[in-house]
Amino acid sequence: GAGVSQSPSNKVTEKGKDVELRCDPISGHTALYWYRQSLGQGLEFLIYFQGNSAPDKSGLPSDRFSAERTGGSVSTLTIQRTQQEDSAVYLCASSSRGDIVGYEQYFGPGTRLTVT
Amino acid sequence: SQQGEEDPQALSIQEGENATMNCSYKTSINNLQWYRQNSGRGLVHLILIRSNEREKHSGRLRVTLDTSKKSSSLLITASRAADTASYFCAFYNQGGKLIFGQGTELSVKP
Repeated sequence: GAGVSQSPSNKVTEKGKDVELRCDPISGHTALYWYRQSLGQGLEFLIYFQGNSAPDKSGLPSDRFSAERTGGSVSTLTIQRTQQEDSAVYLCASSSRGDIVGYEQYFGPGTRLTVT
Repeated sequence: SQQGEEDPQALSIQEGENATMNCSYKTSINNLQWYRQNSGRGLVHLILIRSNEREKHSGRLRVTLDTSKKSSSLLITASRAADTASYFCAFYNQGGKLIFGQGTELSVKP
């Protein structure tokens, strides 16, 4: 079946502009995660959606970052007034469940964001 | 920090040799997972070991978990050039977030 998809695959934007990154999780997965990965670094957790619960936004680095998940499926990560330090690969993942028992996460291919 | 720590940061071996990567963590966990990331296939789940398990095998992969030492190791036997990738350990914290280590960059030379 279809895996997690993300769009766009690459995005180049000018400093100060807003960008929207999209994630389509695997159908039926209730948990959705956003991560950021800078060059040569590990994954930095950004935000987590689980079903209809309030999202865990504790990883968002500033109030310029926001995310929503409509209808429990597609998610959009928005970065306002982009800065050069926002340049990274943004990865989305989904999981059949997201509680503390812990399940395998399926990752999308990522969106490479470059802020010039 | 809740982040996992991995060592070595980089490892270079010849094809056919074994590769061992280690991960340490600080929090209590229900399970620990290992992921692989390369340019061709992105980030892919390899294996999950539960807190009540000490060792688990999957093909050429062997994972151990020592909850008393809060550490895990990933062994890849008879390595191949295609195993070249970055390997990450990951575990869920109490809030349901999957926390990743910084990764080990493995290079397998043919």
